[in-house]
Amino acid sequence: DTEVTQTPKHLVMGMTNKKSLKCEQHMGHRAMYWYKQKAKKPPELMFVYSYEKLSINESVPSRFSPECPNSSLLNLHLHALQPEDSALYLCASSQGQKNIQYFGAGTRLSVL
Amino acid sequence: AQSVSQHNHHVILSEAASLELGCNYSYGGTVNLFWYVQYPGQHLQLLLKYFSGDPLVKGIKGFEAEFIKSKFSFNLRKPSVQWSDTAEYFCAVNTPDGQNFVFGPGTRLSVLP
Repeated sequence: DTEVTQTPKHLVMGMTNKKSLKCEQHMGHRAMYWYKQKAKKPPELMFVYSYEKLSINESVPSRFSPECPNSSLLNLHLHALQPEDSALYLCASSQGQKNIQYFGAGTRLSVL
Repeated sequence: AQSVSQHNHHVILSEAASLELGCNYSYGGTVNLFWYVQYPGQHLQLLLKYFSGDPLVKGIKGFEAEFIKSKFSFNLRKPSVQWSDTAEYFCAVNTPDGQNFVFGPGTRLSVLP
């Protein structure tokens, strides 16, 4: 099983809303990632968690707040987003940071 | 900073034509190399990977790629494409310490039936 599950699949939110994106994997992977992908562009790395600790934050604005409650779950909390934050948000996991990343289907976020 | 370039933005082929998509990276040290595919409306899937050993690697769906260290290249090939190969193809590089994972800009492949 190489499945990474993301919920919700679609999310529409206003600029004053607070919402969360969820990601789950049961492959025993110890590294988990959040990416942002705009249309017709490659995924851009946002955050990396390794052994449930934040190891990389690619200068992401504080309106995005990641959380790793346990080794299987990764959340991305959203608050006061801007319309330009509308994108596909992808979660991935890997055995370690040196290994193959497996991607979820993504959450398509629209900020109005 | 490490970067990955892909030679073509959009490639259009007829079915049964041969495919080669170029990928070059700028990192001078040891790297792991990947090709991912994203079919329309679907998630990123791993096509193939290179960590070490034989520089010619075979992946799923008849794809292969060749690592040429001296050219910093990892080109993707397929002898005969099908309409179902229509997708976006991303080359990616990961440094062995895992601190850098960078995708190329992507190449959109359109295969005409």
